[in-house]
Amino acid sequence: AQKITQTQPGMFVQEKEAVTLDCTYDTSDPSYGLFWYKQPSSGEMIFLIYQGSYDQQNATEGRYSLNFQKARKSANLVISASQLGDSAMYFCAMREGLSNFGNEKLTFGTGTRLTIIP
Amino acid sequence: DAGVTQSPTHLIKTRGQQVTLRCSPKSGHDTVSWYQQALGQGPQFIFQYYEEEERQRGNFPDRFSGHQFPNYSSELNVNALLLGDSALYLCASSLVFGTTNTGELFFGEGSRLTVL
Repeated sequence: AQKITQTQPGMFVQEKEAVTLDCTYDTSDPSYGLFWYKQPSSGEMIFLIYQGSYDQQNATEGRYSLNFQKARKSANLVISASQLGDSAMYFCAMREGLSNFGNEKLTFGTGTRLTIIP
Repeated sequence: DAGVTQSPTHLIKTRGQQVTLRCSPKSGHDTVSWYQQALGQGPQFIFQYYEEEERQRGNFPDRFSGHQFPNYSSELNVNALLLGDSALYLCASSLVFGTTNTGELFFGEGSRLTVL
């Protein structure tokens, strides 16, 4: 079974609008972390935002926020005021277990290609 | 502050050959992980090295092996290459951390391997 599901293969958004990228996850471990990465055409994966399973508040990092709904097992990424430079692939990923030594394995979804239209 | 660097950036091999990819972690990091990203897919975890030992391994055959050196740099070796090994190979580094840290991985730009 897929542990990370991203159902939007591609999205087109007008510049300056907000966009929500969907991510659902599946785990039986009560301790986990959820990540969003951006991958431009250069190939490098750029870390955007993190949400821990025990975090009480939704994570925010500048224009990025994570809409964490634990009961629904969803962790959607919201980008406010989109910019042309936001055009890229976006991946949701999960680490099961606590963030300690020997447990850096991330499981990624298939990604969403976001295109910002001028 | 140097980020994660990988070499070579692109290479072409034929079936049955062997390949070695190299990675230098971000300054101050001591753990290296390798991921395979096939075209149109998300990265898949191959293995992780810490203190020169393989600590975790994903669902990859023994043809995939690695090494970590005392300076924390790492190599990924793939033997008996198959067409299906064509992919972007990403190296990621991190620091042994506690539960207060997000533990995000820092990735390099990858090595794109084409097997003909």
